[in-house]
Amino acid sequence: DAKTTQPNSMESNEEEPVHLPCNHSTISGTDYIHWYRQLPSQGPEYVIHGLTSNVNNRMASLAIAEDRKSSTLILHRATLRDAAVYYCILRDHNNAGNMLTFGGGTRLMVKP
Amino acid sequence: KAGVTQTPRYLIKTRGQQVTLSCSPISGHRSVSWYQQTPGQGLQFLFEYFSETQRNKGNFPGRFSGRQFSNSRSEMNVSTLELGDSALYLCASSTGAALSGANVLTFGAGSRLTVL
Repeated sequence: DAKTTQPNSMESNEEEPVHLPCNHSTISGTDYIHWYRQLPSQGPEYVIHGLTSNVNNRMASLAIAEDRKSSTLILHRATLRDAAVYYCILRDHNNAGNMLTFGGGTRLMVKP
Repeated sequence: KAGVTQTPRYLIKTRGQQVTLSCSPISGHRSVSWYQQTPGQGLQFLFEYFSETQRNKGNFPGRFSGRQFSNSRSEMNVSTLELGDSALYLCASSTGAALSGANVLTFGAGSRLTVL
């Protein structure tokens, strides 16, 4: 999997939007952008993924830059339950199996 | 529907012993992959099984092994335990052949192994 760069930590106030950035300047044309998060004492949880277009689901939105070298995970209204480590991962279309390469992720802290 | 179930959730072993961890995937999921998570190394891929065959293996010594049964349930085994094997072991399941970057994984809560 190609390399991604994320800030180590971010802070947000409850009820406010959160924008979590990810740089992936070496992304290839067939790489999907995935986001997973890990809450304390739990396994990682899928959040969202996309290829070229912006994506929305019930959990979050994913904004992908036009050149695809960066993306932003958007939590529209942060809650205390959103406090977790968020991982940005690239997965190639020809990825051999379910090997995910996790970087350090961004630890999101949500203040009441 | 039921999620990915890992057992046991917590266990303590001593150096030199062996351990077997179990993972029951979501019904219908044929791929099971295993990961080791430690504070120092983060999340690292161990291996993946699909239709009872190991398809990929990470960079871990031969003491780490696994298998998958016909009902897709999987076990991983660590022999001759070392202190550095203390970690959270996670399994994840997914549908299909997984040869797609769009494939999504569902993780279990993990088995926390402590080696004394």
